[in-house]
Amino acid sequence: GENVEQHPSTLSVQEGDSAVIKCTYSDSASNYFPWYKQELGKGPQLIIDIRSNVGEKKDQRIAVTLNKTAKHFSLHITETQPEDSAVYFCAASGGSGNTGKLIFGQGTTLQVKP
Amino acid sequence: DVKVTQSSRYLVKRTGEKVFLECVQDMDHENMFWYRQDPGLGLRLIYFSYDVKMKEKGDIPEGYSVSREKKERFSLILESASTNQTSMYLCASSLYGETEAFFGQGTRLTVV
Repeated sequence: GENVEQHPSTLSVQEGDSAVIKCTYSDSASNYFPWYKQELGKGPQLIIDIRSNVGEKKDQRIAVTLNKTAKHFSLHITETQPEDSAVYFCAASGGSGNTGKLIFGQGTTLQVKP
Repeated sequence: DVKVTQSSRYLVKRTGEKVFLECVQDMDHENMFWYRQDPGLGLRLIYFSYDVKMKEKGDIPEGYSVSREKKERFSLILESASTNQTSMYLCASSLYGETEAFFGQGTRLTVV
């Protein structure tokens, strides 16, 4: 089955700097790659997603890139703000024989220091 | 707004008890999921359902079972609770494959 590895597990940046979180996946048939943000005491919420027919997607300060050959995708947050502090999860779906199963990475705790 | 509601925020159960965690979604979604969240291990899929009475095992199904008799409700059952099942449990739903998943707020289960 699909396996998703996420790095780093923790990331600390100064306000205004950029943050990058990286994920790799194992099933080359996967075709949907969402990113979720989890704030304290809440369930994860989708912040951006990308499908396999696209190499990059941007939404204001966040962007996601996908390299299907390397089975690798990344989240980029520019001009970080304290409210970006949270746990971020990558995920993959649509792999071989997949009926919509969504497999997550281990999570990255991002701390933005004022 | 999509709403995914988990029946309890906090639950304390004794070892050996049969435990039911309930999840209800209000948007006619096809897919429903149960995840377990532990520090450093991320969200691990326990079971997934893509239709009423249809289910697939996730990565860690041992010690758990599920029930989906109605489209809007997905129940997670711990047949005989053990202390290593102490964790945060998250339910989610999505319209169909490869679409946004919406999560409930989670149930913090403690087995003593």
